[in-house]
Amino acid sequence: DAKTTQPPSMDCAEGRAANLPCNHSTISGNEYVYWYRQIHSQGPQYIIHGLKNNETNEMASLIITEDRKSSTLILPHATLRDTAVYYCIVRVALTGNQFYFGTGTSLTVIP
Amino acid sequence: DVKVTQSSRYLVKRTGEKVFLECVQDMDHENMFWYRQDPGLGLRLIYFSYDVKMKEKGDIPEGYSVSREKKERFSLILESTSTNQTSMYLCASSFDRRKKETSLSNQPQHFGDGTRLSIL
Repeated sequence: DAKTTQPPSMDCAEGRAANLPCNHSTISGNEYVYWYRQIHSQGPQYIIHGLKNNETNEMASLIITEDRKSSTLILPHATLRDTAVYYCIVRVALTGNQFYFGTGTSLTVIP
Repeated sequence: DVKVTQSSRYLVKRTGEKVFLECVQDMDHENMFWYRQDPGLGLRLIYFSYDVKMKEKGDIPEGYSVSREKKERFSLILESTSTNQTSMYLCASSFDRRKKETSLSNQPQHFGDGTRLSIL
C-alpha cells in the first residue's frame, strides 16, 4: 500500500471549511483513497473514499488531483464535533487487506 | 447505518487470565476484523474472517485466537493475558453482498468503538 503524508495538526474556525491535505505520490492505478476520522476514545469512523473522480457525501467532499498524487478532504462547515484525528489511507481494495492507519492530522475546530 | 458493537468499552484483567472480546455487526457483512491500536504504532491487524468458521492470521496473531460461529459475531480470545496485551482493541466489518453498485473490492471497513483492555 502507498505511503501517505499528512500535516500533523491543523486548526479551523467553526463554520468555516476545513481543508485537509494528503500526499500520496507513490499511489498506483488500482489504489483507492480512503478517509477516516477518530474522535478521542471512539473507533475510527469512515468518511469517504474514491479512486480518481471527486466524491461528495453528506459528511464531506473528496478532491483527488488529476495525477492522483494528492487529495484534499473538505468539511464544508466545520463544527466543534468535527475535532478529531483524520486519517488518509490508500490501499488496493482487496478482501481481507487491512487498513494501514498512519499518524493522521489532528484537526481542532475553534469556536 | 452500519452498527458494529463491541461488548465492553473498558476491561481490567490480571496476567494469565483468559479474556473474550465480543463483536457483533448488524449489516450482514461477510468480512470481520480484529485490530489493536497503540500509540505510535497505528492499527495492527490481529485476525480477520471472510466467512463463518473461516479465519486468517493478520500481522500480529501471536497470543490471540478468534472464533466466528455465526456471521454476525466475531470473538477475539486472549488465552493467557500478559501486560504487553494492554491496548485498545477494535473490531471492524465490511462487504455487503446486496450492494450491487459497489464491488467486493472497494467497500470500506466500519469500526466499533473499541475495548480498552488493561492487563495488570
